[in-house]
Amino acid sequence: DTGVSQDPRHKITKRGQNVTFRCDPISEHNRLYWYRQTLGQGPEFLTYFQNEAQLEKSRLLSDRFSAERPKGSFSTLEIQRTEQGDSAMYLCASSRRDLFPYGYTFGSGTRLTVV
Amino acid sequence: TQLLEQSPQFLSIQEGENLTVYCNSSSVFSSLQWYRQEPGEGPVLLVTVVTGGEVKKLKRLTFQFGDARKDSSLHITAAQPGDTGLYLCAPEGGSEKLVFGKGTKLTVNP
Repeated sequence: DTGVSQDPRHKITKRGQNVTFRCDPISEHNRLYWYRQTLGQGPEFLTYFQNEAQLEKSRLLSDRFSAERPKGSFSTLEIQRTEQGDSAMYLCASSRRDLFPYGYTFGSGTRLTVV
Repeated sequence: TQLLEQSPQFLSIQEGENLTVYCNSSSVFSSLQWYRQEPGEGPVLLVTVVTGGEVKKLKRLTFQFGDARKDSSLHITAAQPGDTGLYLCAPEGGSEKLVFGKGTKLTVNP
């Protein structure tokens, strides 16, 4: 297993455009999380899935953000009508909750720059 | 809303020195995780502490969970340039999600 994979690693987009990021978690992990990290801050929780069900969404996740995990495997995070304030590192993590302690494995992230 | 504070925010030391960074909160946690993050990469899990008063060692790194499970510390002995990075603590409370502090940015100069 190669860990959590995120694609693309970097994305530059113009304000107002839509962008979509993909995350492939570790295959036996049933939990998948999205976080956002801005410069000088720790990661902030956005949303998480248990299999294909989206169980929690942060208030940070405005109506322009949508996340899916259609078959309980990979996940996508879409941002519509991007704004400069959306510029950040978007991190995906996965874990399995049947084995304590619940180690979270993070991907390398997608760095989004909105110009 | 739990308040999580990591200190110091920045730390720059010379190779070979010892250091301690702290993670404090007003809330009690069921467990707490420490991560290290290098620039341009995702955080990497170092350790999970679960029991109040617990001490875990990972080579030159010593992690301690406070007796009341509200705070934790990370001590590094004889720091090396490879220890450079952002050290994040993330307690687990009643919710599924991890809540991260702002982190301590450590620079170890050769």
